[in-house]
Amino acid sequence: KAGVTQTPRYLIKTRGQQVTLSCSPISGHRSVSWYQQTPGQGLQFLFEYFSETQRNKGNFPGRFSGRQFSNSRSEMNVSTLELGDSALYLCASSLNLGPGNTIYFGEGSWLTVV
Amino acid sequence: KQEVTQIPAALSVPEGENLVLNCSFTDSAIYNLQWFRQDPGKGLTSLLLIQSSQREQTSGRLNASLDKSSGRSTLYIAASQPGDSATYLCAVSLLGSNTGKLIFGQGTTLQVKP
Repeated sequence: KAGVTQTPRYLIKTRGQQVTLSCSPISGHRSVSWYQQTPGQGLQFLFEYFSETQRNKGNFPGRFSGRQFSNSRSEMNVSTLELGDSALYLCASSLNLGPGNTIYFGEGSWLTVV
Repeated sequence: KQEVTQIPAALSVPEGENLVLNCSFTDSAIYNLQWFRQDPGKGLTSLLLIQSSQREQTSGRLNASLDKSSGRSTLYIAASQPGDSATYLCAVSLLGSNTGKLIFGQGTTLQVKP
């Protein structure tokens, strides 16, 4: 059974550009969440999707957005990139919504903003 | 607001030593607590999950304990090996919420020297 797949794994963008990151959850999983990891702030929750609806959102500016498709695949978008957006973006999936579900993480997408 | 703290931030030990990693959280209203391992540049791998009603969980050389009343958890690693070198993160999920959101500590980076 394939794990959580994130693409691309590495990318470099210029300030002001936008970026889209993709996440394919484990087959059958309907809940997808995103986290940002930086050396200074650690792992911070971005948002969570279930059945194509955003269920929870972290404390990030509106430049960060996401969506989930009917096949549970998810994308996150960051517009008007800033240097501080350089981070490892991790996607995680679980079978259903709620804290009782085992969560599985992908390998992450490394974003560097120059 | 739930906050999770891990001490120490970094730890270096000789191979074979038993060691303890600490995690504390400010709000005892948690659903569960998990310990994750992260290798450099990689995603997170779940090591142990302790439900709020449990006191400890064991997997091989790893033992995690939970004292909800004092807001503390420890991860005990027996007979450490160089392959245990990684960053260890603890995370809590919130009680009474229909979300899988995890709140992470900053992690402890462990180096086991041969």
